Amino acid sequence: SQELEQSPQSLIVQEGKNLTINCTSSKTLYGLYWYKQKYGEGLIFLMMLQKGGEEKSHEKITAKLDEKKQQSSLHITASQPSHAGIYLCGADTSGNTPLVFGKGTRLSVIA
Amino acid sequence: DAGITQSPRHKVTETGTPVTLRCHQTENHRYMYWYRQDPGHGLRLIHYSYGVKDTDKGEVSDGYSVSRSKTEDFLLTLESATSSQTSVYFCAISEWDGYTFGSGTRLTVV
Repeated sequence: SQELEQSPQSLIVQEGKNLTINCTSSKTLYGLYWYKQKYGEGLIFLMMLQKGGEEKSHEKITAKLDEKKQQSSLHITASQPSHAGIYLCGADTSGNTPLVFGKGTRLSVIA
Repeated sequence: DAGITQSPRHKVTETGTPVTLRCHQTENHRYMYWYRQDPGHGLRLIHYSYGVKDTDKGEVSDGYSVSRSKTEDFLLTLESATSSQTSVYFCAISEWDGYTFGSGTRLTVV
């Protein structure tokens, strides 16, 4: 079974709308990382969350970590075409092993 | 930002041939990783290294070997390439706030 589940798999939103992407782990989370990827390019680091209840924001993107639920959410406010891409969550589930990643959420923003 | 480069960026090779991908970093990071990215599977760990000559297997290591003779270079070798190894390969280094990824190598095995 997949260790890290992302939902939805894909999302199409109208420009200006808000959206949320979720990442749920089947194991305890020691750290949760969000990345963005443009098609054909590498992964760009967005945010790292390590403590339960932690919330971080950068421009119009906010990420939260619910340690009890072993879940993180990524919220984009007033989406823009520049937000389009694939969003991946990566998790440290043991404290000292390589990150495991979800399958990604493909976001399209239409005018 | 950490300097991490992958080479080549694109490669087409024939089934059965050996292929080596290179990852080079400029900032002396101890941990380096190779992942592959495929539609429907996301990123999967192939091998990783925690120091010179210290490596370990990941989730999808069959058919791959790695070497790290210098801190700055982490090589991924496909001993005999198969069509199932057609993929995009990413190298990453571990920094205090997460991983930094290279730009990727798109490998096609025909």
